[in-house]
Amino acid sequence: NAGVTQTPKFQVLKTGQSMTLQCAQDMNHNSMYWYRQDPGMGLRLIYYSASEGTTDKGEVPNGYNVSRLNKREFSLRLESAAPSQTSVYFCASSQSSYNEQFFGPGTRLTVL
Amino acid sequence: RKEVEQDPGPFNVPEGATVAFNCTYSNSASQSFFWYRQDCRKEPKLLMSVYSSGNEDGRFTAQLNRASQYISLLIRDSKLSDSATYLCVVMEAGGYNKLIFGAGTRLAVHP
Repeated sequence: NAGVTQTPKFQVLKTGQSMTLQCAQDMNHNSMYWYRQDPGMGLRLIYYSASEGTTDKGEVPNGYNVSRLNKREFSLRLESAAPSQTSVYFCASSQSSYNEQFFGPGTRLTVL
Repeated sequence: RKEVEQDPGPFNVPEGATVAFNCTYSNSASQSFFWYRQDCRKEPKLLMSVYSSGNEDGRFTAQLNRASQYISLLIRDSKLSDSATYLCVVMEAGGYNKLIFGAGTRLAVHP
């Protein structure tokens, strides 16, 4: 089992460019999450998907969109990247909202 | 005020030392509590859940004080491999059980 996988590992964008961060899990989990982690701050929830077919905003959704493509995959899209979106992005999954969340290795994004 | 506050450290301790981390949370309705460990440039991983009665897992002991809204993690007999950032995490009950992460406390264990 690979657990939670994320692509790409690193990305550099120019302001205004768009990109999609990919996440997949092979644990048959129902819930999936996208977080960002910035220096001196805790992980902050961007969007989550409680189950296949549903998505909801987290704490910091502005500038992002998500798609729960199927039970395995949950992608995060930046339509027009801004320097404030420079961060490390983690995808996570869990069996339900009550269970332990398992994290992917992260994507380090720099927006110039 | 941050929802979950931790001393950022770093805590620099020699091997074999006992070290304690503290965490406070602001929402008295919070339901569940956890400690996660995050190695440098890696993803967070669950270290242990924190129960009201306190719980122990080997060299690690976690305690919860609901009245003071305070969580602690004690590490005994520190190993070099314990060097990491320890994240205090609080689950808030509501329409969805959201995890709130502290910024983390960094621990460096030296020989």
